[in-house]
Amino acid sequence: DTAVSQTPKYLVTQMGNDKSIKCEQNLGHDTMYWYKQDSKKFLKIMFSYNNKELIINETVPNRFSPKSPDKAHLNLHINSLELGDSAVYFCASLYTGGGYDEQFFGPGTRLTVL
Amino acid sequence: SQELEQSPQSLIVQEGKNLTINCTSSKTLYGLYWYKQKYGEGLIFLMMLQKGGEEKSHEKITAKLDEKKQQSSLHITASQPSHAGIYLCGATGGAQKLVFGQGTRLTINP
Repeated sequence: DTAVSQTPKYLVTQMGNDKSIKCEQNLGHDTMYWYKQDSKKFLKIMFSYNNKELIINETVPNRFSPKSPDKAHLNLHINSLELGDSAVYFCASLYTGGGYDEQFFGPGTRLTVL
Repeated sequence: SQELEQSPQSLIVQEGKNLTINCTSSKTLYGLYWYKQKYGEGLIFLMMLQKGGEEKSHEKITAKLDEKKQQSSLHITASQPSHAGIYLCGATGGAQKLVFGQGTRLTINP
């Protein structure tokens, strides 16, 4: 069973379109994240939700809107896609306990904006 | 804000050779994570270090955190093709979020 899954794995779309990426975790974790990895492989946090509530928003354009219908899901909707949005987007969920935190990552969604 | 600098950015080694990847932080590290990423896949957790001077090993990979807790190294002994990938160090940057280094791309030549 996949712990953190994302769909789709690849997404190719035209500039100006609106698209969504879905993330689901079956680990029972309360906190989930979206990260963006750019062409230089730099991985940066975008958002974090804890039990359906937004707790981190790292100066991401308003065109990006995360939505958490329940604590097992954190979806990312992007409006008016731009060329610079091309990247790999990773979802993660957080395990806390045993004296440390560990984030479990999904396989990533490679978004290409043409 | 905390920044992590990894070196080298890219590394090519012959199979069987040892190698080291470094991660330096601009601030004291309270939790340092090492992840590995294979092309087209997500990040795989390797190890987490918290205490100054701490060292952990898993199979042929050893990670260390220096006494001052500002630098970590990842050492691979007798490298194999399966070790190829991108290695990322990450640090807890408050509010349970991870700040990552820019990654080190490791290539193993047979």
